[in-house]
Amino acid sequence: KAGVTQTPRYLIKTRGQQVTLSCSPISGHRSVSWYQQTPGQGLQFLFEYFSETQRNKGNFPGRFSGRQFSNSRSEMNVSTLELGDSALYLCASKWVGTGELFFGEGSRLTVL
Amino acid sequence: DQQVKQNSPSLSVQEGRISILNCDYTNSMFDYFLWYKKYPAEGPTFLISISSIKDKNEDGRFTVFLNKSAKHLSLHIVPSQPGDSAVYFCAARFGANNLFFGTGTRLTVIP
Repeated sequence: KAGVTQTPRYLIKTRGQQVTLSCSPISGHRSVSWYQQTPGQGLQFLFEYFSETQRNKGNFPGRFSGRQFSNSRSEMNVSTLELGDSALYLCASKWVGTGELFFGEGSRLTVL
Repeated sequence: DQQVKQNSPSLSVQEGRISILNCDYTNSMFDYFLWYKKYPAEGPTFLISISSIKDKNEDGRFTVFLNKSAKHLSLHIVPSQPGDSAVYFCAARFGANNLFFGTGTRLTVIP
């Protein structure tokens, strides 16, 4: 069974630009969550999608948004990039409810 | 506000000895706790978990202890092996809600 796939793995953007990251969950998993990992902050929860609806949202500004498609694939978008948005963005999927989270390898974003 | 805290950013242990990683939490609603392990350039992988109705869970070399009154959990690795060198994240949740992660502890096992 293929794992969680994130694209792109690495990208470099400049301040003010916007970026879209993609996540394909494990087949059959309907819940997709996004986390931001930065040194010293650990993994900060961004949002969770289930059946194309945002179910939970973390404490991030409105520049961070996401969506989920009918095939459970998800995208997250960050607009008007700031230097502090440089981080590893991790996507995780689970089947439903209290199931275990499976993480992808992440998309490393560098903002110059 | 960090609801799950790992106060030791790093830990070095000799191969064969015990590694003890600690985690504290503030939210008494948490009812399920997990440890994830992360190697560089890889996503975190699930290691071991414990429900709040238990105080210990064991899986091979890995044991997690939960002290609810102190809002503290720990991960013991015995014996430690060089392949255990990684960043370990403690996480907690209540119900089916999202996981809250700690800041991670980098474990280095010295051969």
